[in-house]
Amino acid sequence: GAVVSQHPSWVICKSGTSVKIECRSLDFQATTMFWYRQFPKQSLMLMATSNEGSKATYEQGVEKDKFLINHASLTLSTLTVTSAHPEDSSFYICSARKTYSGSRSYEQYFGPGTRLTVT
Amino acid sequence: DAKTTQPTSMDCAEGRAANLPCNHSTISGNEYVYWYRQIHSQGPQYIIHGLKNNETNEMASLIITEDRKSSTLILPHATLRDTAVYYCIVRALNTGTASKLTFGTGTRLQVTL
Repeated sequence: GAVVSQHPSWVICKSGTSVKIECRSLDFQATTMFWYRQFPKQSLMLMATSNEGSKATYEQGVEKDKFLINHASLTLSTLTVTSAHPEDSSFYICSARKTYSGSRSYEQYFGPGTRLTVT
Repeated sequence: DAKTTQPTSMDCAEGRAANLPCNHSTISGNEYVYWYRQIHSQGPQYIIHGLKNNETNEMASLIITEDRKSSTLILPHATLRDTAVYYCIVRALNTGTASKLTFGTGTRLQVTL
């Protein structure tokens, strides 16, 4: 159990266009989902935390109007990169956390990532 | 969350045990030690976590020192597929929805023939 999927796995888009990335928890409900970004040879950087039914909380330096996050259900969160530019090219990874309490309750399960290339 | 310190890289021969150290000298009493790994171009994979007792699962063992200021992840019989970046993270569980996993630079483990 605890599988997280992302779609698409890779995408190429033109500068100025918008791209939507989906993150789904396949076999559990996730009240909280996280979006990370990873540039080549660097570590994962948390972009934002989203809670189902409420606005996302963005990390310092992340533009909320550029990276739109929607967490409309307990199994789906979306990240939309608006007006994409080449510097937005990166590996975007989502993570989902189960809702119930317990010693393993706050484990985060990660998706396989989405590689975005903006030309 | 407390910061961790890990060696940048390590090598290990296939079939031998890989011992990955992590220092977390400022860990708080309510913080757990988590280990994740990331194989190239994939999302991080959960390995193991613990509070103060040693833990073992099908993937690895986690040894935490008595003062909890450091820990060691042990892969008992490393294989080429264990080549990855290993992240040691400390995190409290009682912070509710505000709890976040913050990744450092990790240790790049290279398993060789």
